[in-house]
Amino acid sequence: QQQVKQSPQSLIVQKGGISIINCAYENTAFDYFPWYQQFPGKGPALLIAIRPDVSEKKEGRFTISFNKSAKQFSLHIMDSQPGDSATYFCAGGNSGGYQKVTFGIGTKLQVIP
Amino acid sequence: DTGVSQNPRHKITKRGQNVTFRCDPISEHNRLYWYRQTLGQGPEFLTYFQNEAQLEKSRLLSDRFSAERPKGSFSTLEIQRTEQGDSAMYLCASSLVSSRYEQYFGPGTRLTVT
Repeated sequence: QQQVKQSPQSLIVQKGGISIINCAYENTAFDYFPWYQQFPGKGPALLIAIRPDVSEKKEGRFTISFNKSAKQFSLHIMDSQPGDSATYFCAGGNSGGYQKVTFGIGTKLQVIP
Repeated sequence: DTGVSQNPRHKITKRGQNVTFRCDPISEHNRLYWYRQTLGQGPEFLTYFQNEAQLEKSRLLSDRFSAERPKGSFSTLEIQRTEQGDSAMYLCASSLVSSRYEQYFGPGTRLTVT
């Protein structure tokens, strides 16, 4: 059972453009939704996270939008840069439990000059 | 470097052999997680320790897999009688109990079973 569905699996954006990655979740026990960034040969690194009582969170060029009723959330990367080229994972977690994270399949983002 | 470290970074083994991986978490992090990541997929949870106690294991963790965290510091993940399907990246992450979702991942150990 894929508890966090992520799309698209790959994305090519021109430098300066907006990258948008969408996710949907099924497990209503999730109460926080982190996004991870992974470069080749590295482990995932926490990028930004949101709780369902907030509809939007912005950190620099990265914004999470959250729609609790639709059980959907998305990551927007504004002014995308070649250095943003990486694989991005959305995820769901339960802060009250063991805090294990359930990841989406990942989106490979390529920002071209 | 005070991040999560994992050794070895790469391991090639023949089917049927046993392998052991080590994870050194960030010091004072009392929670430690193991995940497995196959090509083109997100990491999948394997098991979790709080201090030295193994509190949860995924159904993905067959009887051939065993993990330990003696003294609540470093952790080892052993795979016995490896199979080709075990080929994957094995990731370790650590966090503090007080931190709700900030898991810090290591660089992983890439296992190839031939």
